[in-house]
Amino acid sequence: KAGVTQTPRYLIKTRGQQVTLSCSPISGHRSVSWYQQTPGQGLQFLFEYFSETQRNKGNFPGRFSGRQFSNSRSEMNVSTLELGDSALYLCASSSTRVSGNNEQFFGPGTRLTVL
Amino acid sequence: SQQGEEDPQALSIQEGENATMNCSYKTSINNLQWYRQNSGRGLVHLILIRSNEREKHSGRLRVTLDTSKKSSSLLITASRAADTASYFCATDSRVNYIPTFGRGTSLIVHP
Repeated sequence: KAGVTQTPRYLIKTRGQQVTLSCSPISGHRSVSWYQQTPGQGLQFLFEYFSETQRNKGNFPGRFSGRQFSNSRSEMNVSTLELGDSALYLCASSSTRVSGNNEQFFGPGTRLTVL
Repeated sequence: SQQGEEDPQALSIQEGENATMNCSYKTSINNLQWYRQNSGRGLVHLILIRSNEREKHSGRLRVTLDTSKKSSSLLITASRAADTASYFCATDSRVNYIPTFGRGTSLIVHP
């Protein structure tokens, strides 16, 4: 089985722009979660999508949004980029709803740099 | 705020030695998981331990969980240079099941 893929792998944007990141989960997985990883804050949960519906949301401003398509692929959008949005954005897929009971499979991440 | 916090923040050992890292958390959990991350890449799941379990093994990995102390430890025996990575614990709240990661322990194994 192919693993979780994320595109693009690297991205450079300027303040005020918007960006869309893409994640393709493992075939058959219906849950996709997004995380932001920074040296200062560590790994923080953004949101989880399951069957095209947002099921959980972390403590991030409304500039961060996402969606999931019928094939379980997910996109994450960040509008009005700020310098502090520079981070590694990780996507993880799971066969069931995210909880402590199941393993998440992570993609390699998208490294976003905001100038 | 972080639910799980790993200790130490950094660990440097020689190949063949054992490495122990600890994770403490604040609220009741359902399960605790350990992940490994190599150099800013995606995380790899290592082991899951349920709240009613006390110890679990997987190859050279041994995980313990003490719910009374709200802590867990990960032991890597006979470490190898390839074990060099950051190790994270992740806990889930019984309220919302959102996985919360600690800041990680950076392990360096010298050949």
